[in-house]
Amino acid sequence: GAVVSQHPSWVICKSGTSVKIECRSLDFQATTMFWYRQFPKQSLMLMATSNEGSKATYEQGVEKDKFLINHASLTLSTLTVTSAHPEDSSFYICSARDFARNTGELFFGEGSRLTVL
Amino acid sequence: AQSVAQPEDQVNVAEGNPLTVKCTYSVSGNPYLFWYVQYPNRGLQFLLKYITGDNLVKGSYGFEAEFNKSQTSFHLKKPSALVSDSALYFCAVSSLSGNTGKLIFGQGTTLQVKP
Repeated sequence: GAVVSQHPSWVICKSGTSVKIECRSLDFQATTMFWYRQFPKQSLMLMATSNEGSKATYEQGVEKDKFLINHASLTLSTLTVTSAHPEDSSFYICSARDFARNTGELFFGEGSRLTVL
Repeated sequence: AQSVAQPEDQVNVAEGNPLTVKCTYSVSGNPYLFWYVQYPNRGLQFLLKYITGDNLVKGSYGFEAEFNKSQTSFHLKKPSALVSDSALYFCAVSSLSGNTGKLIFGQGTTLQVKP
C-alpha cells in the first residue's frame, strides 16, 4: 500500500519556539494532504486540508497564523507550529489519499508527538 | 453535516470470543465508510472500507463490517478475538458528493481482549 512518512516522530521544545513537522508521500503523489490533531484518549480532529500549490483550507476554530501549512510539492506538506505553548502539546498526524489508485482510503503517517515545555 | 458516533468508549471481550465494535453515521448522500486501528503512539492503520457493493465487507486481520443503510450503521466484527487485537478503533465517514478525501472520525473505541 501507499506509504506516508512523518518526521520528526517526537519533538520537545521550549515555549515560544516554532516547530516544523514534515509529511511525505513516499510512493505516490498527493495533491491533497490532511493534518489531524489528537489529544490523549480522544479522537482525531481535522485541522486543515493541505493543497499542493495553493493555500490550505482550515477547519473552523483552527488558527491559521498559529498552524502554518505549506504544500510546496506533490510529495511534501509541512505543518509549522509557531510560537508554541504548552497547550499546543499534542499528537499531530498527517494523511494523504492516493487519487491515482482511487482506492478511497486515507494513508496515515506515524504521527508526531509535540511536547512544549 | 457529516458525523460519526461510536457509542462505546471501551469494549471488553475474552480471547476467542466474537467481538463487535459499534458505529453509526450521518451523511448527506451516499457514504464512504472506513475502519482504522491505532496502536499506542502510532498512526492509523486501515482495516476496511465500504463504498458500494456487498454490504458485508471483509478486511485486514480477519475483521469484517456490515453496512446497514436503514440503521445507518457500520459495525466492526471479528468471529474470534485475539489479545493482539487490543487497540483503539476508529470509524470514519466521507461523503461521495463533493468528496475531497476528508474523513470525519468517531470518538474511538478501545478494544480490550483478555486472555
